[in-house]
Amino acid sequence: SQQGEEDPQALSIQEGENATMNCSYKTSINNLQWYRQNSGRGLVHLILIRSNEREKHSGRLRVTLDTSKKSSSLLITASRAADTASYFCATSGSRLTFGEGTQLTVNP
Amino acid sequence: DAGITQSPRHKVTETGTPVTLRCHQTENHRYMYWYRQDPGHGLRLIHYSYGVKDTDKGEVSDGYSVSRSKTEDFLLTLESATSSQTSVYFCAISKTGGGLQETQYFGPGTRLLVL
Repeated sequence: SQQGEEDPQALSIQEGENATMNCSYKTSINNLQWYRQNSGRGLVHLILIRSNEREKHSGRLRVTLDTSKKSSSLLITASRAADTASYFCATSGSRLTFGEGTQLTVNP
Repeated sequence: DAGITQSPRHKVTETGTPVTLRCHQTENHRYMYWYRQDPGHGLRLIHYSYGVKDTDKGEVSDGYSVSRSKTEDFLLTLESATSSQTSVYFCAISKTGGGLQETQYFGPGTRLLVL
């Protein structure tokens, strides 16, 4: 069964707006990772946050992790049309387990 | 680009035929993985390898076998393809010694259609 579950399943915003995606999981983790997948391509790693970290930044990406609530969020600031993609969280217990993803559409 | 290639990129085959997918990496990393991606199921691990001739099962290994005779190549074989194995197959590697828990780098995928 899937460990991470993303919410929402789909998100449509205008260019320049911020996009927030959430991930919930059920069991304890070593780390949580976010990946992006453009249509027809492989997954690309965005960011990894370890269980003892609460927040991490990478460029326009901000990831938070709340282990007490077993949840994480990915914030993309000042979105661009090129950010249109599916975004997956992956939780790391004994192995990586991927959620089903959030489809983000950024309209020009 | 993680230096991972997959071949073929697309394949159409018939039920009951054997199919082999190849994953090739250029950087000699120890850990390699095969996943399948299906709507409603996300990405699911089929098999993985932690070295030459060292492999283990993932969560959806039934009907699949793997081999790794060289560090750079990881082969996935569908012994007798079924329509339920129609999917997109991704190969991935880990670049660190932490293996299954660490960041993975994915190939471009193989689209397999079993008629």
